[in-house]
Amino acid sequence: ETGVTQTPRHLVMGMTNKKSLKCEQHLGHNAMYWYKQSAKKPLELMFVYNFKEQTENNSVPSRFSPECPNSSHLFLHLHTLQPEDSALYLCASSPIGYEQFFGPGTRLTVL
Amino acid sequence: GESVGLHLPTLSVQEGDNSIINCAYSNSASDYFIWYKQESGKGPQFIIDIRSNMDKRQGQRVTVLLNKTVKHLSLQIAATQPGDSAVYFCAENKLYYGGSQGNLIFGKGTKLSVKP
Repeated sequence: ETGVTQTPRHLVMGMTNKKSLKCEQHLGHNAMYWYKQSAKKPLELMFVYNFKEQTENNSVPSRFSPECPNSSHLFLHLHTLQPEDSALYLCASSPIGYEQFFGPGTRLTVL
Repeated sequence: GESVGLHLPTLSVQEGDNSIINCAYSNSASDYFIWYKQESGKGPQFIIDIRSNMDKRQGQRVTVLLNKTVKHLSLQIAATQPGDSAVYFCAENKLYYGGSQGNLIFGKGTKLSVKP
């Protein structure tokens, strides 16, 4: 266990649904991240939050909306997704500038 | 462009043998490198890291070698075990001091299979 938890672990949704992914860490880290992992592709950084402020949006479509209410929680709100958005979504946290600790991921399937 | 990549997508080794997984990086300004292991159904797990002021770093059964001249990174696993079967990623970072976050750049990964 890395100390980073994600819920749900699996999610199936239709293209018209709205759902949210949750990430939680109690490691005292100041940075949190969302990544997308598709088959046979490198990990794609989506969003970065430092001290609850979004510091990076890596050209992510607006149908993905992150929220960081405090330094321990990170959400990814999903709406009107496409089938190509099906992937493993990973959350990570880190002290500033050092290795990132990953959660187990949410396996998302968009029908 | 800047990228971190791996030479082989798959590697198969016999149990008990040593494994070597290679990685090339292109950003000569990177000064921090990490190896991650990802088992099926799990998120990436930190294995070992190395800073650019070092050539070699050893952990438990793992060694990371850094060759800055040719921008090459390798992970050596001694006495490979079935539990080592996973996808291994290298990642690079430019450490920042005094504020902003340096983001990791990941390679595609090498799938290590250990034959009994």
